[in-house]
Amino acid sequence: DGGITQSPKYLFRKEGQNVTLSCEQNLNHDAMYWYRQDPGQGLRLIYYSQIVNDFQKGDIAEGYSVSREKKESFPLTVTSAQKNPTAFYLCASSVRDPGANVLTFGAGSRLTVL
Amino acid sequence: QQQVKQSPQSLIVQKGGISIINCAYENTAFDYFPWYQQFPGKGPALLIAIRPDVSEKKEGRFTISFNKSAKQFSLHIMDSQPGDSATYFCAASFYSGTYKYIFGTGTRLKVLA
Repeated sequence: DGGITQSPKYLFRKEGQNVTLSCEQNLNHDAMYWYRQDPGQGLRLIYYSQIVNDFQKGDIAEGYSVSREKKESFPLTVTSAQKNPTAFYLCASSVRDPGANVLTFGAGSRLTVL
Repeated sequence: QQQVKQSPQSLIVQKGGISIINCAYENTAFDYFPWYQQFPGKGPALLIAIRPDVSEKKEGRFTISFNKSAKQFSLHIMDSQPGDSATYFCAASFYSGTYKYIFGTGTRLKVLA
């Protein structure tokens, strides 16, 4: 079945540690996205990538980093510079065709900073 | 101009009733308006979507009403069921090399049995 796999589902981190969230898709989508979800704030864009080896900052990129070495993979690193990292993180993907405007989401990763 | 305002924040409806969630936007560049449904601990899933050239779209019990002049759109869930209990997000998007999505803040719907 085609879809997006995020791992781990739950992650606990001590303050000062970097953590990396995995996102893998087998939908053959060119574009991939990372969103952060906090209660009452909807989904906010962290980073996005349209093609391999290229990515752009979203609205809340500070304290995060990404890479796009393969079309299928778009890992997100939450660095120690992120002041409030506890949140639910969602990876998504889409085709780049202007006529096919659908975001497909993974099941999410919940990060808790202890 | 990039905001999408969604209301209400939470909604409680009796089984069989109609659930109505409203969204408003400002940016006239938006050309696609999807609604996403999210169950606890899961990622959002596309429920129904509309483009601004139509005023209404219906899929089963779910209907989007779109008012281009007022820059408002709404989701109507007819004959609401307990299984519809979830968080619903409206969104607006436009294409500029890639899709730029702006999400509403979400509505937590609870349908009482």
